[in-house]
Amino acid sequence: GNSVTQMEGPVTLSEEAFLTINCTYTATGYPSLFWYVQYPGEGLQLLLKATKADDKGSNKGFEATYRKETTSFHLEKGSVQVSDSAVYFCALGVNSGGYQKVTFGTGTKLQVIP
Amino acid sequence: EAGVAQSPRYKIIEKRQSVAFWCNPISGHATLYWYQQILGQGPKLLIQFQNNGVVDDSQLPKDRFSAERLKGVDSTLKIQPAKLEDSAVYLCASSQAGAVLSGANVLTFGAGSRLTVL
Repeated sequence: GNSVTQMEGPVTLSEEAFLTINCTYTATGYPSLFWYVQYPGEGLQLLLKATKADDKGSNKGFEATYRKETTSFHLEKGSVQVSDSAVYFCALGVNSGGYQKVTFGTGTKLQVIP
Repeated sequence: EAGVAQSPRYKIIEKRQSVAFWCNPISGHATLYWYQQILGQGPKLLIQFQNNGVVDDSQLPKDRFSAERLKGVDSTLKIQPAKLEDSAVYLCASSQAGAVLSGANVLTFGAGSRLTVL
């Protein structure tokens, strides 16, 4: 079946540190890949996406590249801020019967300290 | 545009009682999703509607959970009777189209309804 595996958290970094959150996936066909973020007290919201191999999604300084050869979609940011503290979810969307089913990973909590 | 509205935000019930959650998606969004998010886990899809028809309810515990989407707009998720393990946040999301034609299908989530079963 379709699944997403994320690195376990929590991840604690100092402000301005480099961030990588690993995500690998298992899927049939050609899935779309997403990163969603959940800030404290808020609902999930899309951070970035990529729809085909070698696509790079980017937003708010975050980037992730769709790597089909390694079935990965790792999230990176060069310099994190305290305001980036949140839970990050990797997700994949697979077409099934004409509709897209979206499957989420377990989430990785990021805490950035001043 | 207005976001996805959910109510109630919080609910505490005793086991074996019933509860209902309501969701109003973004206007014009044809697809509506209910996810269950247990503390420390990722969201798990319970049911997916396309307009007012069900396209996926494979992970919905049908002996106790039910959902409907009348007129293809609002939706209600009901649990009866509740069990302790149903304690979770119930997330509603909507999207413009269930089928990916030209790109990725982006979900817009509501704030969630937190259920505690005692």
